[in-house]
Amino acid sequence: QSALTQPASVSGSPGQSVTISCTGSSSDVGSYNLVSWYQQHPGKAPKLLIYEVTKRPSGVSNRFSGSKSGNTASLTLSGLQAEDEADYYCCSYAGSSTHVVFGGGTKLTVL
Amino acid sequence: QVQLVQSGPEVKKPGSSVKVSCKASGGTVSSYTITWVRQAPGQGLEWMGRIIPVVGITNYVQKFQGRVTITADESTGTAYMELSSLIPKDTAVYYCATDSDNSFESWGQGTLVTVSS
Repeated sequence: QSALTQPASVSGSPGQSVTISCTGSSSDVGSYNLVSWYQQHPGKAPKLLIYEVTKRPSGVSNRFSGSKSGNTASLTLSGLQAEDEADYYCCSYAGSSTHVVFGGGTKLTVL
Repeated sequence: QVQLVQSGPEVKKPGSSVKVSCKASGGTVSSYTITWVRQAPGQGLEWMGRIIPVVGITNYVQKFQGRVTITADESTGTAYMELSSLIPKDTAVYYCATDSDNSFESWGQGTLVTVSS
């Protein structure tokens, strides 16, 4: 059981928007603005999409955006494209004892 | 952006140890905090620990305390993750990644470690 809870799957049609939630606790997501999101295609290494809740690394499409409210972080993908079909993971700092926790991952299907 | 190149796949017997390497191409791992993450077949990502080579500090997730050792060799610019007392559930792809304030930007290609008798 992962420390952060994500829906197992979400889906959307091309051009639509989808949001993936990531629910933690006051020990991780709720206490630190150190939430990151990763995209992983089958057989590939994860790719950083969002860091520090809302920031995008250079080269990441502005179709990806992040937010946080309380103990829940969210990743929104707008203008869905076929290549967005992948697994998505959230991650949060969880203090000096636990350090880092991941969500269980969400499979995005583009219909 | 630095590229991380990991060592090749390993097949190990239960009870043995494995050491996976992670070398920076176009730089040195000593300049970065390096984190290790594993992914069992069909499963999610699991953070294992990190090393801050410049100050020699390591952090490990409690689950692996005593079984995992992360090191960095400044002379070769390579980081290592050694996992001991292997069990079949340790079968996974092991990744290294650069770690900047708990976000992981550059990833190695992954190393499959299979534990089987």
